[in-house]
Amino acid sequence: GENVEQHPSTLSVQEGDSAVIKCTYSDSASNYFPWYKQELGKGPQLIIDIRSNVGEKKDQRIAVTLNKTAKHFSLHITETQPEDSAVYFCATYTGGFKTIFGAGTRLFVKA
Amino acid sequence: DAGVIQSPRHEVTEMGQEVTLRCKPISGHDYLFWYRQTMMRGLELLIYFNNNVPIDDSGMPEDRFSAKMPNASFSTLKIQPSEPRDSAVYFCASNQWAGRTEAFFGQGTRLTVV
Repeated sequence: GENVEQHPSTLSVQEGDSAVIKCTYSDSASNYFPWYKQELGKGPQLIIDIRSNVGEKKDQRIAVTLNKTAKHFSLHITETQPEDSAVYFCATYTGGFKTIFGAGTRLFVKA
Repeated sequence: DAGVIQSPRHEVTEMGQEVTLRCKPISGHDYLFWYRQTMMRGLELLIYFNNNVPIDDSGMPEDRFSAKMPNASFSTLKIQPSEPRDSAVYFCASNQWAGRTEAFFGQGTRLTVV
């Protein structure tokens, strides 16, 4: 079945620096790649997503890139702020109605 | 819409007791998912429903777990009897197009079995 690997598991950056989280997937039929942010005591919430017909998407300080050939996609956060501290999950959708989540990355932004 | 609503937010129970978690999905969403989150295993899909019908329950860990969706606006996840290893945060999520679009998660129920 589909497998999603996410790295790193923990990331600590200084406020203002950039943060990059990477995910690889196994099923070449995957066609939808959402990223979720989970703050303490809350459920995951979508922050950005990309579909397989697009290579890059940007929304203010966050961007996602997709390399279908290499089967990996990445989340980029620029000018990080303390409120960006959270757990970030990548996910893929291949079909069969299931979303497969990565293990999560705990991001710490130090003021 | 108020989003996906779960209750209770926290539940502490003794081993062997029955636990029932509740979820109200967003109106108009045809898909409802139950997830379990732990430090060791991350987010695990337990079961999902389409139009109130259970489609895939292969993630349900044991027969002690059961889920129902009697109508489009309500679902329950029941654990009977509960065990300490069931302690986790349980999330309910809903969306309109299964995994092809954003899933909306509830706030979760933190279950502690002592």
